This record gives sequence, C-alpha cells and structure tokens, in this order.
Amino acid sequence: GAVVSQHPSWVICKSGTSVKIECRSLDFQATTMFWYRQFPKQSLMLMATSNEGSKATYEQGVEKDKFLINHASLTLSTLTVTSAHPEDSSFYICSATPHPRGAEKLFFGSGTQLSVL
Amino acid sequence: KNEVEQSPQNLTAQEGEFITINCSYSVGISALHWLQQHPGGGIVSLFMLSSGKKKHGRLIATINIQEKHSSLHITASHPRDSAVYICARRDGGSQGNLIFGKGTKLSVKP
Repeated sequence: GAVVSQHPSWVICKSGTSVKIECRSLDFQATTMFWYRQFPKQSLMLMATSNEGSKATYEQGVEKDKFLINHASLTLSTLTVTSAHPEDSSFYICSATPHPRGAEKLFFGSGTQLSVL
Repeated sequence: KNEVEQSPQNLTAQEGEFITINCSYSVGISALHWLQQHPGGGIVSLFMLSSGKKKHGRLIATINIQEKHSSLHITASHPRDSAVYICARRDGGSQGNLIFGKGTKLSVKP
C-alpha cells in the first residue's frame, strides 16, 4: 500500500529558531499533500494544502509567513516553522493520497512532535 | 463549534468485549472516514463510508445518512486495539477538506 514518510518524529528547539519538517510519498506521486496540527486532546486541524509546483493554500488563521510550505516535487513537501515560539509546540502531521481527493483511503505520515523551549 | 461529535471520549474495555464508538455530524456529507491514531501519533485510515456498512476483519463501520450518524464497532476486542479512533467528515462535497472529531480513546485491558 501507499506509504507516507515524515521526519523528524520529534524535535526540540529553542524559541526563535526555525524547524523544517519533511513529508515524503515513498511509492506514489502526490500532487497534493495536507498539513495538520493537533494540540493535546484536540481535533486534527488542517493548516494548509500543499500543491506541487504552486503556492500552498492556507486555512483561515494560519500565518503563511510563519508556516512556510514548499512542494517542489511530486514526492516531497516541507513545512518550516519559522521563528518558533512555545505556542507553536504541537503535533504536526501530513497526509497524501495517490488518488484524487475524495478517494477511499487516506495516507498519513507518522507525525512530528515539536517542542519549543 | 466542532461539527463532528464523538462519544464516548474515553472507553475502557476488557479483552473480548464488543466495542461501539459513535460519531454524529450536523450537516449533510458526501463521505465519512474512520481513522485510528496510535499512541505514537501515527494515523491509519480504516474506512470511508458514504452509505450502509463496511467490514474489515473485526472492524465494522455503519452510517445512517438520514440521521447523520455513524458507528464503529470492534468485535472480540484485543489490547492491540487500544488507540484513539477518529471520525472525519468531508466538508463541502467530495472535493472538500476533512473536519475531524476529537477522537475516542480506547483502552482494552487484558
């Protein structure tokens, strides 16, 4: 089945630094990838839709200058949290699908736990 | 306001018990997904439903479109079923984004 790889699994950084998270589709091409954030005991919330070769589409309330998304190839999307602050500490997870949206299965990365000190 | 409500929030069961997790939503949908989130955070897609019932192994998912309600059942539960189960509806038709419930944390004791 389709596999989505996400790295790193966890990262601890100092306030003010930037952190890059990678999401790769290992055995399929993904023109669209999705980035979600999940706070403890809360729902997954869509942050942005990453489109290969074009600008990402951000959800309302998500700062595009703070959460930089790059989808330079059909198998890789990156999320960079710039000038991270403690309130950015959260679980970030990506998903992708080899099929058009609305398809049967969703494929998720393993997630990244970000802790900003 | 979260438009996808799950119950219960937490569920503890003994191994072998039949488990039911419920999901209600407030608007019409084109599809509803059930997901399993492991303790480490990774998420696995279990089902996508638009009508009726689906079965995979010990897992059964049902949906009642008119009542805007779906259930996930686990037969003969096992400790390895312990996870958070999340339902998600697709917003705005088949091309819309997913709206997630907060999840039901299931613990199955041996």
